[in-house]
Amino acid sequence: NAGVTQTPKFQVLKTGQSMTLQCAQDMNHEYMSWYRQDPGMGLRLIHYSVGAGITDQGEVPNGYNVSRSTTEDFPLRLLSAAPSQTSVYFCASSYSGLGVYEQYFGPGTRLTVT
Amino acid sequence: ELKVEQNPLFLSMQEGKNYTIYCNYSTTSDRLYWYRQDPGKSLESLFVLLSNGAVKQEGRLMASLDTKARLSTLHITAAVHDLSATYFCAVDNGGSQGNLIFGKGTKLSVKP
Repeated sequence: NAGVTQTPKFQVLKTGQSMTLQCAQDMNHEYMSWYRQDPGMGLRLIHYSVGAGITDQGEVPNGYNVSRSTTEDFPLRLLSAAPSQTSVYFCASSYSGLGVYEQYFGPGTRLTVT
Repeated sequence: ELKVEQNPLFLSMQEGKNYTIYCNYSTTSDRLYWYRQDPGKSLESLFVLLSNGAVKQEGRLMASLDTKARLSTLHITAAVHDLSATYFCAVDNGGSQGNLIFGKGTKLSVKP
């Protein structure tokens, strides 16, 4: 299994540009999430999904859109990039085996907005 | 609103010493997770604690959970340099799965 994969690994955008961060998992996990990590802030939840066709907002959803058309993929779209969105983005997936929702994280995408 | 607080945020230890990292959370939850992150890397799962009184150990790390006190601890025994990393606790926000609230992390540096 490849686990959770993310592309690209690095990206530089200009303010106002849009882009999509890709996330895929091959573990047949129901739940997928996007987090951003900023220095000194830990990880903050952006959006999450409990299954194909179902998404919901996390702590910091503004400026981001998601959709989940398949179990495997959970792309994150930046509509109009702003410098405040400079961050490292992690995608994670989990399953509800025995009531445990242990999250498996992808390698991350380092995004810089100038 | 669930809040998760870790302390200390920075910890410099000498090899061979013991220390404890604390994770407090503000609302009831019976699922708590500890992760490790090396610089420039992703998060690696260390422990999953599911009930009051749960204790798990792996090598020099031991984690425990007291749901009544809303407190988890990560105890480091006889630290070695390889344990240098940032450690995060995360608490399940309940309701919708996949919704974890993270502490800000404890950056551990173990010096010879």
